[in-house]
Amino acid sequence: GAGVSQTPSNKVTEKGKYVELRCDPISGHTALYWYRQSLGQGPEFLIYFQGTGAADDSGLPNDRFFAVRPEGSVSTLKIQRTERGDSAVYLCASSFGQGEGNYEQYFGPGTRLTVT
Amino acid sequence: DAKTTQPTSMDCAEGRAANLPCNHSTISGNEYVYWYRQIHSQGPQYIIHGLKNNETNEMASLIITEDRKSSTLILPHATLRDTAVYYCIVRVPYGNKLVFGAGTILRVKS
Repeated sequence: GAGVSQTPSNKVTEKGKYVELRCDPISGHTALYWYRQSLGQGPEFLIYFQGTGAADDSGLPNDRFFAVRPEGSVSTLKIQRTERGDSAVYLCASSFGQGEGNYEQYFGPGTRLTVT
Repeated sequence: DAKTTQPTSMDCAEGRAANLPCNHSTISGNEYVYWYRQIHSQGPQYIIHGLKNNETNEMASLIITEDRKSSTLILPHATLRDTAVYYCIVRVPYGNKLVFGAGTILRVKS
């Protein structure tokens, strides 16, 4: 079946602009995660949704970052007043379950964001 | 979250077994060991996970020491396509986020 998809695959924006990154999870997966990966480093957790609500947003670096999942499926990561330091690959993952479950996370290919 | 320690890089000859070690000496009794890998320009891919018993699937085997302070991921017959960064992760028990370290760069050479 279809995996996690992310759009766009690449996004170049100017410093100070607003961007939206989209994630389509695997059908039926109730949990959705956003991670950010800088060059040469492992992915860094940003936020986790269970259904429509953000169950853990402890990884969001500051209030310029916001994410929504209004219908419990597609999610959008929104970045206001982008800075050059926001340049990274933004990864989305989805999985079954919640709480203490150990369901594996399936990752999308990522969106490469470049802030000039 | 329990931290993991992995070698920075390893080389393996094509067709041979690749053995990737991971230390997780502060692991809690209810934390699982997960392995993911990331091939260049792709998202991470789940490989295998375990609690205390050894596990095997179509991709790999996971050997966890009796004291659970370390584990080894085994790719039995490495191919060039197994060249990737391999991450050993100890799962946060009551949350769902994955905490990635720097991982091990595995280079499979012909």
